[in-house]
Amino acid sequence: GAVVSQHPSRVICKSGTSVKIECRSLDFQATTMFWYRQFPKQSLMLMATSNEGSKATYEQGVEKDKFLINHASLTLSTLTVTSAHPEDSCFYICSAPRGRTLHFGNGTRLTVT
Amino acid sequence: GENVEQHPSTLSVQEGDSAVIKCTYSDSASNYFPWYKQELGKRPQLIIDIRSNVGEKKDQRIAVTLNKTAKHFSLHITETQPEDSAVYFCAAPTGFQKLVFGTGTRLLVSP
Repeated sequence: GAVVSQHPSRVICKSGTSVKIECRSLDFQATTMFWYRQFPKQSLMLMATSNEGSKATYEQGVEKDKFLINHASLTLSTLTVTSAHPEDSCFYICSAPRGRTLHFGNGTRLTVT
Repeated sequence: GENVEQHPSTLSVQEGDSAVIKCTYSDSASNYFPWYKQELGKRPQLIIDIRSNVGEKKDQRIAVTLNKTAKHFSLHITETQPEDSAVYFCAAPTGFQKLVFGTGTRLLVSP
């Protein structure tokens, strides 16, 4: 069964609004979680690393003020897309490592109209 | 950091044939290489992985080979079935517990 839960699975929002996505590790603690995004027919691109107890670290080219990450507990990380625009529409996927294996959430398909 | 290249981008085979997908990596210190399968609109799922202390690993119809000298690793699927149709991603570590993914291979298995 799933070891990482992600919600919502789909969201449609208007341009300029904010959207929050939750990622939970089930039955294990994750001091680190990763957020990826995937545009249609493209690979998974790492956006940022969510760290419990400290600030998230962002990959080059990812705006930290636009993509707010909060690692609220040892089992929960949230990604907030602020002031969303149509170009932010894509598939956002969180992941959490358990041992050497990276487990993914089901993903959130964001559509900004 | 690590750079991963994956080929081919698309692969069409007939049911029962074998499929091979290849990846190269740049960091000789990398020691863990997973393969993920992603069906349309779904999450990537780990199907097999290999660590650098072995050259080959097999799990039923799926196998992965690793050539550390040449810095490449390959996914082999034998006796392909239509349900094997998906996008396959290779990956390599780029920091503690972080992975960088290849560009993906869209595999189509025709009945």
